[in-house]
Amino acid sequence: ETGVTQSPTHLIKTRGQQVTLRCSSQSGHNTVSWYQQALGQGPQFIFQYYREEENGRGNFPPRFSGLQFPNYSSELNVNALELDDSALYLCASRPRGANVLTFGAGSRLTVL
Amino acid sequence: DQQVKQNSPSLSVQEGRISILNCDYTNSMFDYFLWYKKYPAEGPTFLISISSIKDKNEDGRFTVFLNKSAKHLSLHIVPSQPGDSAVYFCAATWGNYQLIWGAGTKLIIKP
Repeated sequence: ETGVTQSPTHLIKTRGQQVTLRCSSQSGHNTVSWYQQALGQGPQFIFQYYREEENGRGNFPPRFSGLQFPNYSSELNVNALELDDSALYLCASRPRGANVLTFGAGSRLTVL
Repeated sequence: DQQVKQNSPSLSVQEGRISILNCDYTNSMFDYFLWYKKYPAEGPTFLISISSIKDKNEDGRFTVFLNKSAKHLSLHIVPSQPGDSAVYFCAATWGNYQLIWGAGTKLIIKP
C-alpha cells in the first residue's frame, strides 16, 4: 500500500486563474472524494468519483470539476478562482462499500 | 446549517489523565460516525468509528460512546499521551456517502 499522495503541496494563484490539483489514490481504492478545508473549519465535501464517473456532489458550483482515471489517479480542477477558494484541498480514497476514507496530506491553495 | 458540531475549539489535559472530546449532531439519518485525528501538515488519519446500532466501541486507549437519543457522541482517550496532541474531528455519514464533519477540537496534552 502506498497511501494517498497529492500534488502540489502548496501553490499560489491569482483571482480568475484556473488550477489543477492531482491525487494518486491508494491501490485497490476505486472511490475517490475531494474535500475543501478552510482555516478553522472541518472539511467540506466537494464531490466523489467511482469508476471514473461523478456519483455525488456537495454544495459547490460547477467551476469545481474533477476527473478520475483508470489507474486510480484523479484531478480537481477549479476555474475562475475566487479569494474564498483559498483552502486546503484534501483527496481521500476508499474501497467501494467502505466507510473509512484514507486521506492525502492535502494541497494548500492560496488565491491572491 | 451545521449538522455536526464540536463546541470545544480546544481542550487541555494532563498527561496520563482521561481526555474526553464531544460531538453533537442534528441529522437522525446518520448511521455511521467516525473520529479522525489530524497533525499539522498531514491529512486526517482515521482513529475509530461506531455504527448507529451500537452504543460503544473500544480500540485500545480509545473508546467512542454514542447516545442516539441525545444525538451525542464522545471520544475517550485514556491514558492521554503527548503524541495524542492533535486536532480531532468528528464526522458522520449515512448511506455510505459523503462525510459531514465538525469543526474540530484541538487537544493539547500537558506533560
